Amino acid sequence: DAGITQSPRHKVTETGTPVTLRCHQTENHRYMYWYRQDPGHGLRLIHYSYGVKDTDKGEVSDGYSVSRSKTEDFLLTLESATSSQTSVYFCAISESLSSYNEQFFGPGTRLTVL
Amino acid sequence: GIQVEQSPPDLILQEGANSTLRCNFSDSVNNLQWFHQNPWGQLINLFYIPSGTKQNGRLSATTVATERYSLLYISSSQTTDSGVYFCAAPNFGNEKLTFGTGTRLTIIP
Repeated sequence: DAGITQSPRHKVTETGTPVTLRCHQTENHRYMYWYRQDPGHGLRLIHYSYGVKDTDKGEVSDGYSVSRSKTEDFLLTLESATSSQTSVYFCAISESLSSYNEQFFGPGTRLTVL
Repeated sequence: GIQVEQSPPDLILQEGANSTLRCNFSDSVNNLQWFHQNPWGQLINLFYIPSGTKQNGRLSATTVATERYSLLYISSSQTTDSGVYFCAAPNFGNEKLTFGTGTRLTIIP
């Protein structure tokens, strides 16, 4: 199994509070991704990173920011959580462009915003 | 962007039966992946198969890139095969994997 951990695994928070999710990998892969999974929508890309300090937006990036200060860590921040951000969040990694390389997924974080 | 469609949406089978899941995609791809999401929510990589056929135990997959579809075969189903099966493909030169909406497989003892 690819060495990907996510923390926390479960979180309940209130509307308006900031939340940070962490993804940690031990594979030294260059690319890291954050997805959210919602019923009826499958998995959708929020943000991704193609190197330290290099990030870009995905298809559902509004309300989210990311940071990557080390190869192994990719943080997803909800500056002011809303109920629409209740979801399961998955981190993924790949060695290079996902057009040519396999992505591997972490165990997920279940976030509930009340 | 690329569209990915899966069929059937739901499948209920008796233990020991065989099944075929289909994934159609709207554009040429260099990468196609199959995943199993188990009842605990974990996404498990099954196959990375841009073209051709691969086998792993009771599971095999075939991608016919020129006709833009992929098939996942599960033989002698076990209850542990239950869950949702996703296929996913990227837009060419794009970092985003587009996922199908999945096939929910339920294996009855």
